[in-house]
Amino acid sequence: NAGVTQTPKFQVLKTGQSMTLQCAQDMNHNSMYWYRQDPGMGLRLIYYSASEGTTDKGEVPNGYNVSRLNKREFSLRLESAAPSQTSVYFCASSEARTGGRQNIQYFGAGTRLSVL
Amino acid sequence: GIQVEQSPPDLILQEGANSTLRCNFSDSVNNLQWFHQNPWGQLINLFYIPSGTKQNGRLSATTVATERYSLLYISSSQTTDSGVYFCAVVDYKLSFGAGTTVTVRA
Repeated sequence: NAGVTQTPKFQVLKTGQSMTLQCAQDMNHNSMYWYRQDPGMGLRLIYYSASEGTTDKGEVPNGYNVSRLNKREFSLRLESAAPSQTSVYFCASSEARTGGRQNIQYFGAGTRLSVL
Repeated sequence: GIQVEQSPPDLILQEGANSTLRCNFSDSVNNLQWFHQNPWGQLINLFYIPSGTKQNGRLSATTVATERYSLLYISSSQTTDSGVYFCAVVDYKLSFGAGTTVTVRA
């Protein structure tokens, strides 16, 4: 049981390049999330998917797109990377998006992205 | 959205010491979680504690929902307790505090 798996672990991009961060969970969770963490700050929500087939914007969605490929997988795409997107990206999943015990979130190990 | 404030921002402990971390939140919640981010960046679930008290080994947490705060206690601290401790609450999303950075010195 791997939990939440993110790939890649590290990535360096040049300004304007594109890339996709991959996330997969094996806990049969309905809801998945992408966060970014900047130095000295807590995590901020980029996008989330409450259930398969749905996606919604979070707190900081500009410059990103997402795809909920199936129940297991949720990808984050940077179409034209900018230095401001240098950050650590975390994927998470939970049984449901509602409050309470169903929204206990479990996190992947993170992707460290540098945009030069 | 809900505002989450953690204090203190930094804490330096001698191994074996006890400490208390605090999390204040601005509205009622039905989901509050404590996480430990270890020096390698991994986020580890410590507690799901929207109210009441829980204990897990040397760690315990108490949430007083009516007064909108939660406390995380670390007893007999060890160097492996070093890292950043985050409190997070749910409204439509998981809102994180800025964290408390704990350094435990041998």
